[in-house]
Amino acid sequence: DQQVKQNSPSLSVQEGRISILNCDYTNSMFDYFLWYKKYPAEGPTFLISISSIKDKNEDGRFTVFLNKSAKHLSLHIVPSQPGDSAVYFCAASANYGQNFVFGPGTRLSVLP
Amino acid sequence: SQTIHQWPATLVQPVGSPLSLECTVEGTSNPNLYWYRQAAGRGLQLLFYSIGIDQISSEVPQNLSASRPQDRQFILSSKKLLLSDSGFYLCAWSLGSTNTEAFFGQGTRLTVV
Repeated sequence: DQQVKQNSPSLSVQEGRISILNCDYTNSMFDYFLWYKKYPAEGPTFLISISSIKDKNEDGRFTVFLNKSAKHLSLHIVPSQPGDSAVYFCAASANYGQNFVFGPGTRLSVLP
Repeated sequence: SQTIHQWPATLVQPVGSPLSLECTVEGTSNPNLYWYRQAAGRGLQLLFYSIGIDQISSEVPQNLSASRPQDRQFILSSKKLLLSDSGFYLCAWSLGSTNTEAFFGQGTRLTVV
């Protein structure tokens, strides 16, 4: 059973518009959430994280929102750029980051 | 600063041959270490994680094993590869003492033929 779900395998957005990537989790013990970006044949790179004590974290064009009651988080990218085209993974951890569980990923395509 | 090295970048191995992938971390002590696999078209699956030397937890029963002979060295092995072992293998580390992100190596593309 997947503990971290990303139900949209792909998403296409026009350059300059907002990209919204969604993630749902089932394990209520998760207390830390992360988003990673991955290009083909490379390791994932960390984008942004949020602790369960917050509901929003912002870093430049990237904002992560957490709704604990719904066990849902989302990544907003605004404005979207062609270089943002990649696979985005949502990840969650409990127990102070000893174990990271990843979702299946969403492939974002930003169209010029 | 901390860096993570993973090698080789690509590997083609015949079915039934052994496997050894190595990962080392520099610039930190007592990191948590991880091996993940990304199968074609799928997400990242945690295979093993380690919180210390010779302390390995396996997440998924499989044809693979992991060892941590030194604090900053993590090795993924197999005695006999299967076709289903093909995939993109990623090593990662984290501080572990508090909630922090995991940092990934560049990955190894393994093709079993």
